[in-house]
Amino acid sequence: DVKVTQSSRYLVKRTGEKVFLECVQDMDHENMFWYRQDPGLGLRLIYFSYDVKMKEKGDIPEGYSVSREKKERFSLILESASTNQTSMYLCASSFSSGGGYEQYFGPGTRLTVT
Amino acid sequence: DQQVKQNSPSLSVQEGRISILNCDYTNSMFDYFLWYKKYPAEGPTFLISISSIKDKNEDGRFTVFLNKSAKHLSLHIVPSQPGDSAVYFCAASDENNAGKSTFGDGTTLTVKP
Repeated sequence: DVKVTQSSRYLVKRTGEKVFLECVQDMDHENMFWYRQDPGLGLRLIYFSYDVKMKEKGDIPEGYSVSREKKERFSLILESASTNQTSMYLCASSFSSGGGYEQYFGPGTRLTVT
Repeated sequence: DQQVKQNSPSLSVQEGRISILNCDYTNSMFDYFLWYKKYPAEGPTFLISISSIKDKNEDGRFTVFLNKSAKHLSLHIVPSQPGDSAVYFCAASDENNAGKSTFGDGTTLTVKP
């Protein structure tokens, strides 16, 4: 059974703190993604990675960075958390070839920045 | 510029009837379209997809129709069940873009018993 796991389901941090969100997939997928979901705004892509140590900015990368040192792990970093980064964060992974491109999502991390 | 649009934020149908969720796109480079379903406090799960070389794909109660000339796709659920109540996201992919998908804002479907 395919699986994407995220390090925390709920997280509360203070403004200015450095925040790490971790995602692990066990499907040997090349692609990994970080999204945030806000009411009425759908899923917005923050960053994605198509290979180890490779990354590309998505639609809303400001205030975030990522790290992919191993194929199965993709980390999202908030260097200095702000209240406008309170959101649901979703990690996903997919194959990069062969068509399909369906993404497999983790359960999400609900981050609250106070 | 939003490339994938779901113009109906919500839809309510009676159990047993048909649910039709709509999605429009603007980018003619998209060649693969997907629907995802999301329950509260869970990640989205893949539901059904369609390639741009087809105009219909069916999987049990779920059928996706693609009208390329109108840049429009729809998801039909027949018959609708209360367990189908969820947020449905339409997504579009471009083969030349490393499998990255662009998502719509979602439509909340409520199926009433």
